Amino acid sequence: EVQLVESGGGLVQPGRSLKLSCVASGFTFSNYGMNWIRQAPGKGLEWVAYISSGSSYIYYAETVKGRFTISRDNAKNTLYLQMTSLRSEDTALYYCARTGVGFDYWGQGVMVTVSS
Amino acid sequence: DTVLTQSPALAVSPGERVSISCRASEGVNSYMHWYQQKPGQQPKLLIYKASNLASGVPARFSGSGSGTDFTLTIDPVEADDTATYFCQQSWNDPPTFGGGTKLELK
Repeated sequence: EVQLVESGGGLVQPGRSLKLSCVASGFTFSNYGMNWIRQAPGKGLEWVAYISSGSSYIYYAETVKGRFTISRDNAKNTLYLQMTSLRSEDTALYYCARTGVGFDYWGQGVMVTVSS
Repeated sequence: DTVLTQSPALAVSPGERVSISCRASEGVNSYMHWYQQKPGQQPKLLIYKASNLASGVPARFSGSGSGTDFTLTIDPVEADDTATYFCQQSWNDPPTFGGGTKLELK
């Protein structure tokens, strides 16, 4: 069974940093591109970042480019999102999701709240 | 970015057929996917590449369309289908989502 489990969220002040993790199981993690997708409270879905299976290709949404860094450790089956210079508008539930055709598996999400 | 437009909400009775539309601001070939999100849960892939049923999804769900106009159909609707449905395109960069259609049962 494919499982994606996010962690690392919490309450953080504007301008500070936070690092999210997503541990994968039930599939060969190193064979798949991975994504972070977020959902602000009561809002729709926004793709945030993508990393290819071997980390050769990395893409970001314009709203986070230069502030967020996606990375992965295939030996640990883990995806990361380093978030810096956080803003109130980054407040959201952050999901990791596998790239199949579409986003075929999602984690349960981890909440990030940016507030003073 | 490619903007995907969905109707905000629909209300139908169990047993009826419902069609949820998604219109793209530019062509996306057949690279439109549909997700179901129930309250408090993560999105779940229902349909990929416009018309292909994802694994484990009941055959009551179907998808159609190409280019800029796409439709998700549920026939017949069941009480458990109460959820928000999102379309998403992966043809143009960046990938984008529609605003979601909230399906309520009468």
